[in-house]
Amino acid sequence: DAKTTQPNSMESNEEEPVHLPCNHSTISGTDYIHWYRQLPSQGPEYVIHGLTSNVNNRMASLAIAEDRKSSTLILHRATLRDAAVYYCILLNTGNQFYFGTGTSLTVIP
Amino acid sequence: DTEVTQTPKHLVMGMTNKKSLKCEQHMGHRAMYWYKQKAKKPPELMFVYSYEKLSINESVPSRFSPECPNSSLLNLHLHALQPEDSALYLCASRSRTKNTEAFFGQGTRLTVV
Repeated sequence: DAKTTQPNSMESNEEEPVHLPCNHSTISGTDYIHWYRQLPSQGPEYVIHGLTSNVNNRMASLAIAEDRKSSTLILHRATLRDAAVYYCILLNTGNQFYFGTGTSLTVIP
Repeated sequence: DTEVTQTPKHLVMGMTNKKSLKCEQHMGHRAMYWYKQKAKKPPELMFVYSYEKLSINESVPSRFSPECPNSSLLNLHLHALQPEDSALYLCASRSRTKNTEAFFGQGTRLTVV
């Protein structure tokens, strides 16, 4: 299973941008990069995913390195509701969906 | 309907009991997953079903028995569990098409006494 590594925790001030990094040096050419977040006592929630190109949606942006060995989730203006654990996951052709250790994001008012 | 519904939300069972967890989705997803999550840890993959057939078993003890009776329903049968099996059990589903996201249920909080 392809592994991802993320910092254990990060802090951000409210209404400032947040850049959450993820390393996935063993990624294969067909693995999609997914990001999910999990609020306390809830199931994980989809944030964004991509393959090679940078992606934007209403929640966030995903910047993928040219060699695909790392990616960055960008929250453009952090709010208190964005405080959660963020997981970077690689999805392979075998439908395997393994969570990394995740980054716990604290948003400071 | 973009929901994955898990029942029950909470379950307390004794070590000699038999119980089942249920997961349902009506999005036409043909890949379904069971995860186990201990406190302050990431979810751990247990089983994957693809087109109602078990495709991945992550060396899960036999006291956990999954079942996928149809394309909308996923069960996890529990028997002779140990206290260390207490955890949040999460179900997820996604389309088999590669470029799609997974949808997670809210989980069943299981306590084994």
